[in-house]
Amino acid sequence: GENVEQHPSTLSVQEGDSAVIKCTYSDSASNYFPWYKQELGKRPQLIIDIRSNVGEKKDQRIAVTLNKTAKHFSLHITETQPEDSAVYFCAASGTDRGSTLGRLYFGRGTQLTVWP
Amino acid sequence: EAQVTQNPRYLITVTGKKLTVTCSQNMNHEYMSWYRQDPGLGLRQIYYSMNVEVTDKGDVPEGYKVSRKEKRNFPLILESPSPNQTSLYFCASSPSVNNEQFFGPGTRLTVL
Repeated sequence: GENVEQHPSTLSVQEGDSAVIKCTYSDSASNYFPWYKQELGKRPQLIIDIRSNVGEKKDQRIAVTLNKTAKHFSLHITETQPEDSAVYFCAASGTDRGSTLGRLYFGRGTQLTVWP
Repeated sequence: EAQVTQNPRYLITVTGKKLTVTCSQNMNHEYMSWYRQDPGLGLRQIYYSMNVEVTDKGDVPEGYKVSRKEKRNFPLILESPSPNQTSLYFCASSPSVNNEQFFGPGTRLTVL
């Protein structure tokens, strides 16, 4: 099955700086890569996703890049704000109808802290 | 209001006492899934369902059962809970596979 690794596990930045979280995956057939944000005590919520036919996607201060050859994808947050502080999870979705279609594999999460 | 609901939100029980955590969505989503969240391990998929009467195992299905008799409901059943099933459980739904998943508020389960 798929294996998703996420780094770093913790990240501290100064307000206004950029933050980058990286994930690698093992299954070259994976084709959907969402990022979820989970604030303390809350449920995970999707912030951005990318499909394998696209190399980069941006939404205001958030962007995701995908390198299919190297099998890694990254979340970039620019001009960070204290309200960006949360745990961020990357994920990869299986595509093999025989065993992995429908399964979503999450990384272990990155605790991002943005200091004022 | 479009939402995913879970009940109960908190539960403390004892080893071996069967329990059911309910999950319901009002968005007519085909895809539903259960996850458990443990510190340092992220979210791990327990079971998922791509449509009514279709369920499949995720990464950690041992000790759990599910059913999908109707589109809106996807209950998680622990026939004989054990302390290693103490965790935070999330139900999620999505219009289809490989689409945004909408999570419920979570159920914090403690098995003594």
